[in-house]
Amino acid sequence: EVQLLESGGGLVQPGGSLRLSCAASGITFTSYAMSWVRQAPGKGLEWVSSISASGGSTFYAESVKGRFTISRDNSRNTLYMQMNSLRAEDTAVYYCAKGEGSSPVRRPFDYWGQGTLVTVSS
Amino acid sequence: EIVLTQSPGTLSLSPGERATLSCRASQSVSSSYLAWYQQKPGQAPRLLIYGASSRATGIPDRFSGSGSGTDFTLIISRLEPEDFAVYYCQQYGSSPVWTFGQGTKVEIK
Repeated sequence: EVQLLESGGGLVQPGGSLRLSCAASGITFTSYAMSWVRQAPGKGLEWVSSISASGGSTFYAESVKGRFTISRDNSRNTLYMQMNSLRAEDTAVYYCAKGEGSSPVRRPFDYWGQGTLVTVSS
Repeated sequence: EIVLTQSPGTLSLSPGERATLSCRASQSVSSSYLAWYQQKPGQAPRLLIYGASSRATGIPDRFSGSGSGTDFTLIISRLEPEDFAVYYCQQYGSSPVWTFGQGTKVEIK
């Protein structure tokens, strides 16, 4: 059974930093691209970032480019998102999602974690 | 960037009825790289349909997808109580940008 477990969310002040983690089990983690998708309270889904299986290719939404960094540790089966210079509009539930192949390009997200809430407020 | 517009915003139906959800793209979605997701309150989204018309693993056959180019449809042939949820379409053909529609809520009438 595929399990994706996010952690690291919480309350942070504007301008602050946070690192999210997503621990994967039930899959050969090294074979799959991974992504982060967020959902602001009461709103729809917004793609944030993706990374290839090897970690060699990364992609970002314009709204987070230069502030967020996606990475992965394939020896620990874990995906990360380093979030810096946080803004109120970054407040959302952050989901990690698995891709169908080693590249995220032209692939949907076939499994999702339960999400972790990030609140940016003073 | 491809913008996806879903309609209607809310669909009020009774169990057993047929639901028809629409997703229109601002530009053609290449090779039908269009997916549908279901999200229930407090839960993560679940992949229902990919490639515009292929059901994901474990998805019942009452869910079907169709369409190409700029117009796509998700049909739930007979609504079950567990189908009342929010549905999102997503295009993944113009990667590396993945975009979602704003969602259609299917509620009990």
